[in-house]
Amino acid sequence: AQSVAQPEDQVNVAEGNPLTVKCTYSVSGNPYLFWYVQYPNRGLQFLLKYITGDNLVKGSYGFEAEFNKSQTSFHLKKPSALVSDSALYFCAVRGGGSSNTGKLIFGQGTTLQVKP
Amino acid sequence: GAGVSQTPSNKVTEKGKYVELRCDPISGHTALYWYRQSLGQGPEFLIYFQGTGAADDSGLPNDRFFAVRPEGSVSTLKIQRTERGDSAVYLCASSSIQGSEQYFGPGTRLTVT
Repeated sequence: AQSVAQPEDQVNVAEGNPLTVKCTYSVSGNPYLFWYVQYPNRGLQFLLKYITGDNLVKGSYGFEAEFNKSQTSFHLKKPSALVSDSALYFCAVRGGGSSNTGKLIFGQGTTLQVKP
Repeated sequence: GAGVSQTPSNKVTEKGKYVELRCDPISGHTALYWYRQSLGQGPEFLIYFQGTGAADDSGLPNDRFFAVRPEGSVSTLKIQRTERGDSAVYLCASSSIQGSEQYFGPGTRLTVT
């Protein structure tokens, strides 16, 4: 069965410091991996995805994520955090292959708190 | 361009009533998904449409839940005999046939009293 784990409920970081939000996954076949961000009372916003190719993926707002097949991880990173990055972050996975319908399996979410 | 829109933004109903939630996907997107998000949880898949047909309804919790997309664009999620446990935010997403990322609407917050 497909699953996603985000081991940290909350990550606290000082503004200007690097941030990492962790995600590990379990899926049959090659994974399609995604990060979304959710601001209060707003819908989910797409940040970035990994389908194939370079293991380091760059996305919106200066975020990037590194795909590690051996560790089945897809951690979200940013070199220098901003207070405005404070939000709820979700990692999601879908299985590869032609039979897959594209439905996403989401993690529980990680609240990122960036302090001035 | 316009994103995914959902109406109403909030719906309060009494236990046992029938509700309809509407989703307008991004123009030209053939794939449409419904998810449900409970407080403190990630979204959970309900149903997927490719065009007019429901290609995967494995996430619908029971037969009180039903969704349609008669013309391959707007979709309606229908819940019969609502229960308090149905209270959640219902999210709709769409994607183009060429792309894989899904674009989400703002959601409908359903409260069953």
